[in-house]
Amino acid sequence: RKEVEQDPGPFNVPEGATVAFNCTYSNSASQSFFWYRQDCRKEPKLLMSVYSSGNEDGRFTAQLNRASQYISLLIRDSKLSDSATYLCVVTVYNFNKFYFGSGTKLNVKP
Amino acid sequence: SQTIHQWPATLVQPVGSPLSLECTVEGTSNPNLYWYRQAAGRGLQLLFYSVGIGQISSEVPQNLSASRPQDRQFILSSKKLLLSDSGFYLCAWSVKLEAFFGQGTRLTVV
Repeated sequence: RKEVEQDPGPFNVPEGATVAFNCTYSNSASQSFFWYRQDCRKEPKLLMSVYSSGNEDGRFTAQLNRASQYISLLIRDSKLSDSATYLCVVTVYNFNKFYFGSGTKLNVKP
Repeated sequence: SQTIHQWPATLVQPVGSPLSLECTVEGTSNPNLYWYRQAAGRGLQLLFYSVGIGQISSEVPQNLSASRPQDRQFILSSKKLLLSDSGFYLCAWSVKLEAFFGQGTRLTVV
């Protein structure tokens, strides 16, 4: 069983739309949670951490549900520049291992 | 500030040839170091991680090996490449809770 599972998409949305991604993780001992963004043929970069209380950064909101073992990312007022693949990440084993989901591809259309 | 260097950026190698990819980190001490592989259209697969010099943990059995001869140097090797070794190889480092990636090596085995 994979450590992290994501819907691969693609999610095709118009500019200005609100879009949400979910991600589930299998290890109940997972300690930290993140969303990374990966542009085509580039390395992944940290988008935001996900805290138990939920957190918001501008148009982006991340939430964690430990009981159901999933995390979510909400993007409001989508921009063309939001088009990318969004990777869900969890850490286990004293934060030494970062496990990545396979990514959800987002295409924002004009 | 911390930086990570990974080279080469692209590589085309024949089947059966050896491989050596090098990654170095600057501006930090005793980082955790990682090698990931991303096949075309797929997620990141953790290959190796290291918590210190000479300490290597392998995630999946494969045709590759890793070494950490110095604190901030991580090397991915193979004695004989297979076609299935083609992919995008990413080195990453972490201290505490965030992972930072090198720009990756796109390896094509022909």
